[in-house]
Amino acid sequence: GENVEQHPSTLSVQEGDSAVIKCTYSDSASNYFPWYKQELGKRPQLIIDIRSNVGEKKDQRIAVTLNKTAKHFSLHITETQPEDSAVYFCAARGGGGADGLTFGKGTHLIIQP
Amino acid sequence: DTAVSQTPKYLVTQMGNDKSIKCEQNLGHDTMYWYKQDSKKFLKIMFSYNNKELIINETVPNRFSPKSPDKAHLNLHINSLELGDSAVYFCASSQEKGYGYTFGSGTRLTVV
Repeated sequence: GENVEQHPSTLSVQEGDSAVIKCTYSDSASNYFPWYKQELGKRPQLIIDIRSNVGEKKDQRIAVTLNKTAKHFSLHITETQPEDSAVYFCAARGGGGADGLTFGKGTHLIIQP
Repeated sequence: DTAVSQTPKYLVTQMGNDKSIKCEQNLGHDTMYWYKQDSKKFLKIMFSYNNKELIINETVPNRFSPKSPDKAHLNLHINSLELGDSAVYFCASSQEKGYGYTFGSGTRLTVV
């Protein structure tokens, strides 16, 4: 089955700086890579996703890049704000989707004022 | 309107008891899931149903039994609860298998 590794486990950045979270996956047939944000005590919420036929996708301050050859994808957050503080999860959909989404172990992003 | 709703939100129970968690989605999605989030925040899939049929059954103890009476509902029944079952259980749904999950608000289960 799919295996997703996520780094770093904790990331602290100054407000206004950029944050980058990286993930690698093992299944070369994986074709869908979403990112979820989970605030304390709340449900994970989809913030951006990318399919394997696209290399980059942007939505305002958030972008995701995908390198299929290297089997890694990254989340980029620019001009970070206090409300960006949360745990971020990457995930990958294995080939066929039969295994659902496999999640990384999460990155706790801390925005320092 | 809550898209994916779970009940109860909190559940505190003694070891050895049997309990159920209910999940309902009003999105018209075909696939529903149960995930377990442990104390380290790791999200691990337990079960997946597509149109009321089980398609994923990860290695979970057989004390856990999912039931899907229709494609809008996926319930989780747990027998003989153990301390290690304490976690947050999330229900989720998606239109296609593995794409664009919507999560429920979670059920925090505490076994004492």
